[in-house]
Amino acid sequence: GDSVTQMEGPVTLSEEAFLTINCTYTATGYPSLFWYVQYPGEGLQLLLKATKADDKGSNKGFEATYRKETTSFHLEKGSVQVSDSAVYFCALIQGAQKLVFGQGTRLTINP
Amino acid sequence: DVKVTQSSRYLVKRTGEKVFLECVQDMDHENMFWYRQDPGLGLRLIYFSYDVKMKEKGDIPEGYSVSREKKERFSLILESASTNQTSMYLCASSPGGSGPFYEQYFGPGTRLTVT
Repeated sequence: GDSVTQMEGPVTLSEEAFLTINCTYTATGYPSLFWYVQYPGEGLQLLLKATKADDKGSNKGFEATYRKETTSFHLEKGSVQVSDSAVYFCALIQGAQKLVFGQGTRLTINP
Repeated sequence: DVKVTQSSRYLVKRTGEKVFLECVQDMDHENMFWYRQDPGLGLRLIYFSYDVKMKEKGDIPEGYSVSREKKERFSLILESASTNQTSMYLCASSPGGSGPFYEQYFGPGTRLTVT
């Protein structure tokens, strides 16, 4: 079945550092891809999405590009802030509206 | 603003108890979902519903049941709680339809501990 694999965490960076969180997927068709973020004590929020190959999703300074050739959707941000500390989930959807999530990556940004 | 609320943030129950987790959404969404979140495993779908009185099994339905008597409310039921059901439970809702994907909106979660 469909699956999503994220880089293992936790990830700890200093403020203003460059961030990459890797995400790869396995799917038989052409899924839509998402990044969700979970801030401490809260539910998940959609951060960005891409629905077809070569699409770039972006929001709040974060970006991710749908790469069909490498089945990847890596999350990047040029300069992270303390407020970006959260758990990040990569996910895909195909067909019926059932999301398949990666295991999550906990990100901590130190001032 | 879409709002998904869950009845409790924290819950402690004993093994063998019947447990109800309630979820309410205020945006007239057709679809509702129950997930459990465990460290290192991400979120896994337990059950979902596309309409009132309709339910479908997700990836890990064993030990759970659901009820959707009204469009805005989706309940998760643990008939006889066990310690391996200790987890964070997240409810979500989304608009219905068979077209492009519609964003799922999540509640804050219920952290359930079964002792």
